[in-house]
Amino acid sequence: GQNIDQPTEMTATEGAIVQINCTYQTSGFNGLFWYQQHAGEAPTFLSYNVLDGLEEKGRFSSFLSRSKGYSYLLLKELQMKDSASYLCAVRDSNYQLIWGAGTKLIIKP
Amino acid sequence: IAGITQAPTSQILAAGRRMTLRCTQDMRHNAMYWYRQDLGLGLRLIHYSNTAGTTGKGEVPDGYSVSRANTDDFPLTLASAVPSQTSVYFCASSDGSSSTEAFFGQGTRLTVV
Repeated sequence: GQNIDQPTEMTATEGAIVQINCTYQTSGFNGLFWYQQHAGEAPTFLSYNVLDGLEEKGRFSSFLSRSKGYSYLLLKELQMKDSASYLCAVRDSNYQLIWGAGTKLIIKP
Repeated sequence: IAGITQAPTSQILAAGRRMTLRCTQDMRHNAMYWYRQDLGLGLRLIHYSNTAGTTGKGEVPDGYSVSRANTDDFPLTLASAVPSQTSVYFCASSDGSSSTEAFFGQGTRLTVV
């Protein structure tokens, strides 16, 4: 079966750095996405990786290792507004998105 | 403002009733999707459409039907609602290429009692 694993919840301090991990087992791979979802709102796109390595976008970076079935989202200089759930999703061989359950990130002052 | 719109934003529905959730996008995206999101679970695909006139079943299609008469609209119908269909429903669209992200509507919170 297809499976995406992420930690359920993480806590970090304002101004610090946090890394959210995602491991996946899917039938085929056509890219990995990270989305941010604030409580009661729709998911919004953060990053896309299809090749191994690091993609940097401002305070957010995403890393992919296809051989390990592993990705992480790195958030730097954390702000209170970063409190949200972070969803990892993999596009499989049928080009459908398979979603993890999300990681709820709590930022403390 | 271009985007994807869902209606209603929330609904309380009696079990056994029929209900259609509406979804409209103005980005001319080929692909559209319906997901449900339940606490502790990832987004689960109900139905999808890769282009107007075609639809496909996702992971959890039972009890739901869709149609795609044109590019912009992708309604989701619950023929006879049951309490297990209580969930938050998200409609999404993408241009269909593998590298581009999906855009989500604001969601419909449905409670079946």
